[in-house]
Amino acid sequence: AQTVTQSQPEMSVQEAETVTLSCTYDTSENNYYLFWYKQPPSRQMILVIRQEAYKQQNATENRFSVNFQKAAKSFSLKISDSQLGDTAMYFCAFTGSGTSYGKLTFGQGTILTVHP
Amino acid sequence: DSGVTQTPKHLITATGQRVTLRCSPRSGDLSVYWYQQSLDQGLQFLIQYYNGEERAKGNILERFSAQQFPDLHSELNLSSLELGDSALYFCASSVSERPTGELFFGEGSRLTVL
Repeated sequence: AQTVTQSQPEMSVQEAETVTLSCTYDTSENNYYLFWYKQPPSRQMILVIRQEAYKQQNATENRFSVNFQKAAKSFSLKISDSQLGDTAMYFCAFTGSGTSYGKLTFGQGTILTVHP
Repeated sequence: DSGVTQTPKHLITATGQRVTLRCSPRSGDLSVYWYQQSLDQGLQFLIQYYNGEERAKGNILERFSAQQFPDLHSELNLSSLELGDSALYFCASSVSERPTGELFFGEGSRLTVL
């Protein structure tokens, strides 16, 4: 079974600084997708960024970028120029084409607090 | 606004009771996913429907059942409720059969079992 591990329960950062959230996953599949979702206090989950495993280039969305290390099964999220609105719980997630077909498996989440 | 509508937003009920949670997906989305979020279990995938048919099943209890109707809305039925069923239940939708693209989440239904 696929597992997703986020080892940092909580992180904090000053406004305008950079922070990196860690995620590791375990899978025997070769074709899969990785995601970071954000859950602000309003609790609605929002997609932050998506990475296809067969693409070696790291995904980037404005201030958000990932460091995808396929061999190490690592998928970290870097938030640059942190803003107060980035305060939220961040979830790393995985889906594949084998036994995980149709399932999006989430990590336990990291609570990020951005301080003014 | 994601376009996914969940009702009710909050629900308080007693042990042993049965409740139904409703989800209307984004216009045009054929897939509906149900997730349970609790403090001890995190976000757990329950079940997925695509165009009315069950496509994937996760850690869904036998006391729980779901269906997707011809108009694509979905209902999650929770019966013989226990204290441990208290959680936030999310519905999400996507246009594709697999969650390889973006899932659009509703605001969730907060269930409290007393």
